[in-house]
Amino acid sequence: NAGVTQTPKFRILKIGQSMTLQCTQDMNHNYMYWYRQDPGMGLKLIYYSVGAGITDKGEVPNGYNVSRSTTEDFPLRLELAAPSQTSVYFCASTASGYEQYFGPGTRLTVT
Amino acid sequence: RKEVEQDPGPFNVPEGATVAFNCTYSNSASQSFFWYRQDCRKEPKLLMSVYSSGNEDGRFTAQLNRASQYISLLIRDSKLSDSATYLCVANTGNQFYFGTGTSLTVIP
Repeated sequence: NAGVTQTPKFRILKIGQSMTLQCTQDMNHNYMYWYRQDPGMGLKLIYYSVGAGITDKGEVPNGYNVSRSTTEDFPLRLELAAPSQTSVYFCASTASGYEQYFGPGTRLTVT
Repeated sequence: RKEVEQDPGPFNVPEGATVAFNCTYSNSASQSFFWYRQDCRKEPKLLMSVYSSGNEDGRFTAQLNRASQYISLLIRDSKLSDSATYLCVANTGNQFYFGTGTSLTVIP
């Protein structure tokens, strides 16, 4: 039981490049979330999903896209990367209102 | 107004001390509450859920006051290993709202 896994762990992007952050969970959780955490700040919700085929915007969705074709996977797409997207990205899953389980994070730098 | 607010600290306490963190939430419809611990450059991990009746787990005690909309965490007999950032979380509907975290350093 791996829990929540994220790839890659680190990435450096040039301005204007695109990439996909991968997130997979093996706990059969319906709810999945993407957060970003800037230095010294709390977690801000980017997008979330309540089940396969259903996604919704969080507090800071601009510049990102998501899809949820399966229960297990919830990839986050960055189009046209900007320096403001330099952050640590965490994926999490939960079984509806219970504790969230987090992946180890992806540290992204855009230069 | 932020959904969840907490004193960022930092709290610097000697080993063996008792320390308390408080947190307030703005949405009275929030359903469940949690304290998470986050070590430097790591993912948040659940410390404990918070119930109206109060709950205790070893040296940690959490309390919820729905009338005043605040949550507290008490750590007794602090250990060096307790040094971390503590995040207060409120669940409202399908979303979880995180405070910015309170930094704790336990000093030998």
